[in-house]
Amino acid sequence: TQLLEQSPQFLSIQEGENLTVYCNSSSVFSSLQWYRQEPGEGPVLLVTVVTGGEVKKLKRLTFQFGDARKDSSLHITAAQPGDTGLYLCAGLFSGNTPLVFGKGTRLSVIA
Amino acid sequence: DAMVIQNPRYQVTQFGKPVTLSCSQTLNHNVMYWYQQKSSQAPKLLFHYYDKDFNNEADTPDNFQSRRPNTSFCFLDIRSPGLGDAAMYLCATSRDRNQPQHFGDGTRLSIL
Repeated sequence: TQLLEQSPQFLSIQEGENLTVYCNSSSVFSSLQWYRQEPGEGPVLLVTVVTGGEVKKLKRLTFQFGDARKDSSLHITAAQPGDTGLYLCAGLFSGNTPLVFGKGTRLSVIA
Repeated sequence: DAMVIQNPRYQVTQFGKPVTLSCSQTLNHNVMYWYQQKSSQAPKLLFHYYDKDFNNEADTPDNFQSRRPNTSFCFLDIRSPGLGDAAMYLCATSRDRNQPQHFGDGTRLSIL
């Protein structure tokens, strides 16, 4: 069974602080995706990373894919209340198996 | 414009009364997925269609069925809902299994 571990599970921070959430697996990903889900809505794709060591930026969000393609991180700079939500990593492993989701990190940014 | 549309957004049904949730897509994607998401948890894949090929997850209860009459539409049927089936049900699509998924906004199902 291929598992994704996300940490931390919950995170509550003040507006303006920085934070990092992590996604780890013992297996190699062929690609990995990060989604954000706001209450009452479906997950929205933020980014897909494919190449080991890849770094992608989306405004204040920085996504990094580990060199060995077994882990990823999401760093948010100067968090804002609008960043509040459930952050899900989802990995594709080999073959045609569907995405495997992590359990998510629930972020709360307090003004 | 919404590309994956789920109806209704909220559904209330009675214990044991069959219910059908619907999903439509304008993306012409080959794959359609149904997920169950309970409060503060990650989405749990129930099954997916690759074109007309149905793929059930091993731990999906028999109570849950799905139909995909054409490329654009997919339905989730819950034959005899129990209290434990109250959840958000998410539909998603992707061009292929190894491609990013596009989610609808979900249907929140309540069981009385």
